[in-house]
Amino acid sequence: AQRVTQPEKLLSVFKGAPVELKCNYSYSGSPELFWYVQYSRQRLQLLLRHISRESIKGFTADLNKGETSFHLKKPFAQEEDSAMYYCALGNYGGATNKLIFGTGTLLAVQP
Amino acid sequence: GAVVSQHPSWVICKSGTSVKIECRSLDFQATTMFWYRQFPKQSLMLMATSNEGSKATYEQGVEKDKFLINHASLTLSTLTVTSAHPEDSSFYICSARDWLAGGNEQFFGPGTRLTVL
Repeated sequence: AQRVTQPEKLLSVFKGAPVELKCNYSYSGSPELFWYVQYSRQRLQLLLRHISRESIKGFTADLNKGETSFHLKKPFAQEEDSAMYYCALGNYGGATNKLIFGTGTLLAVQP
Repeated sequence: GAVVSQHPSWVICKSGTSVKIECRSLDFQATTMFWYRQFPKQSLMLMATSNEGSKATYEQGVEKDKFLINHASLTLSTLTVTSAHPEDSSFYICSARDWLAGGNEQFFGPGTRLTVL
């Protein structure tokens, strides 16, 4: 079964501390992984996707097929990073189209 | 960038009435749009996949006669909540895929807050 697991509902860190938001997935095909972010009172927006292999706002995420993980990392958290983060799984190259979202992790960066 | 709008942003209605929510892709064509519900402090729950020119595909447990979806053009999908009841009160979010760009990335609308009295 296709599933995305984000084990932490809340992650609280101090400004300047490293951040790692965990995401594990279960999928038999070729996965396409995303991180979406939702800032307070704003719409959901794409943060990054594993295919692009880029760093956005200092965040990176590496797809580890052996561990079926796609953890989101940032070396030094900023207060403006406080938001809800969702990991999502799609079917790369397939016709399914839909994304499966994890339950989300609320990141709270304390001053 | 790709922008998706929703209208209205919020609506309050009486129990038993129907409410229509519009989702538009403003600067791209979307053969596929998605409708989600989001409960407070919870994740998005996919309700249905809206396909331009054909019937929507509903997720298990979602009543298709309750939540009518119409995707009449490449830039517009509508969700009608029929005979709304208080338990239908929720935050409804749509998203769209850019048909020309391909891939699975979805662009999200700002959401519509529905309150049924």
